Amino acid sequence: QSALTQPASVSGSPGQSITISCTGTSSDVGTYNLVSWYQQHPGKAPKLMIYEDTQRPSGVSNRFSGSKSGNTATLTISGLQAEDEADYYCFSYAGSTTWVFGGGTKLTVL
Amino acid sequence: QVQLQESGPGLVKPSETLSLTCSVSGGSVSSGNYYWSWVRQPPGKGLEWIGCIYHTGSTNYNPSPKSRVTISVDTSKNQFSLNLSSVTAADTAVYYCARVVVPTKAFDMWGQGTMVTVSS
Repeated sequence: QSALTQPASVSGSPGQSITISCTGTSSDVGTYNLVSWYQQHPGKAPKLMIYEDTQRPSGVSNRFSGSKSGNTATLTISGLQAEDEADYYCFSYAGSTTWVFGGGTKLTVL
Repeated sequence: QVQLQESGPGLVKPSETLSLTCSVSGGSVSSGNYYWSWVRQPPGKGLEWIGCIYHTGSTNYNPSPKSRVTISVDTSKNQFSLNLSSVTAADTAVYYCARVVVPTKAFDMWGQGTMVTVSS
């Protein structure tokens, strides 16, 4: 199974908005409304930020939002803050034996 | 609050079997609401799903290392385990155990991770 495609890096200044794309296929992202997004700070475990394409767990800032169009899911972070600097991974379910993560995106806050 | 904690050797010799256990506290592995999963992350690289188990013992594995992977659950000890056989240096990684919500397939709780190095 191939990893979902994410940009290697994105950057933005404090207060700005950034987007991170996650491109899959019609067999995963395009079929199931089961994309989730994870934030990982260095040396730490990942943290769930978005699930079911657009849903935000309780306790996650509303500056984080998810969307999807066709085979591409997108994570948007608005009002960028220094603490948002981290790696971000998307994930999609694509069948009982096909659970796949994206390659990860490093977010730099300038 | 549910907590997951990985345990096991930090160093495994090539060709041997890597064995890790995830102990769950504040919740039950017998819950029908969750899968219990293993994810790994090689140094400097991304996340890779290894597989998961349901409380019934039903398993799903990543086709990639599938033939070498066994995940089991022990409801009496409230823990689940990973065995990865015939390891090579490519299996060196931080191994995470995680809880997955069944209907959403979201990994909502994670252990802190444990580094396993494969080396002679």
